[in-house]
Amino acid sequence: EIVLTQSPGTLSLSPGERATLSCRASQSVSSSYLAWYQQKPGQAPRLLIYGASSRATGIPDRFSGSGSGTDFTLTISRLEPEDFAVYYCQQYGSSPPEFGGGTKVEIK
Amino acid sequence: QLQLQESGPGLVKPSETLSLTCTVSGGSISSSSYYWGWIRQPPGKGLEWIGSIYYSGSTYYNPSLKSRVTISVDTSKNQFSLKLSSVTAADTAVYYCARHGHRGSSWSVDWFDPWGQGTLVTVSS
Repeated sequence: EIVLTQSPGTLSLSPGERATLSCRASQSVSSSYLAWYQQKPGQAPRLLIYGASSRATGIPDRFSGSGSGTDFTLTISRLEPEDFAVYYCQQYGSSPPEFGGGTKVEIK
Repeated sequence: QLQLQESGPGLVKPSETLSLTCTVSGGSISSSSYYWGWIRQPPGKGLEWIGSIYYSGSTYYNPSLKSRVTISVDTSKNQFSLKLSSVTAADTAVYYCARHGHRGSSWSVDWFDPWGQGTLVTVSS
């Protein structure tokens, strides 16, 4: 199975700042089959990005994904108040699908 | 708009079987384009895929849980269900149902979207 390690564990930033979240895989994720989700307290995860860089329907363009192989990045260009949440990456190139441990983006 | 809703007991005793149902509305569970999955999240922790089912009844389980998991589908009711046997406190979690695509005739999984709102199941005597 592929292990996904997300860093940092917590990111303390102010609204308007840029957030850069990392997801590193223990082995290459085939065809960039990697997704990103946002989860707010008491809510289900919400799909943001699939295929490493494709935004899901209705996701603002301040969210962008990049990377390939074992290193992937989620960037939020300018943090809005509603973006403070926990973010998870998920690989689906091999079974079982695995999730990273999450990065919490908190208000500084 | 497709919606998923989990239902079932919120409290299960140790060694018993956890049973949950996911009801799909706004679309058909019999679509050939999708699988239907269960994912769980222990309080304050990360996400774990439990398993998935196709409308035909084909199932795929996480090897870590395979010996205790059964997922079934009822296309007439547009529902699929999860049974997890011999539960312990470690199975306490929010359980989500979700839809995912696939990439062909053999088993594969894509991203999960949409998700149900989740239901907390506590294992305690």
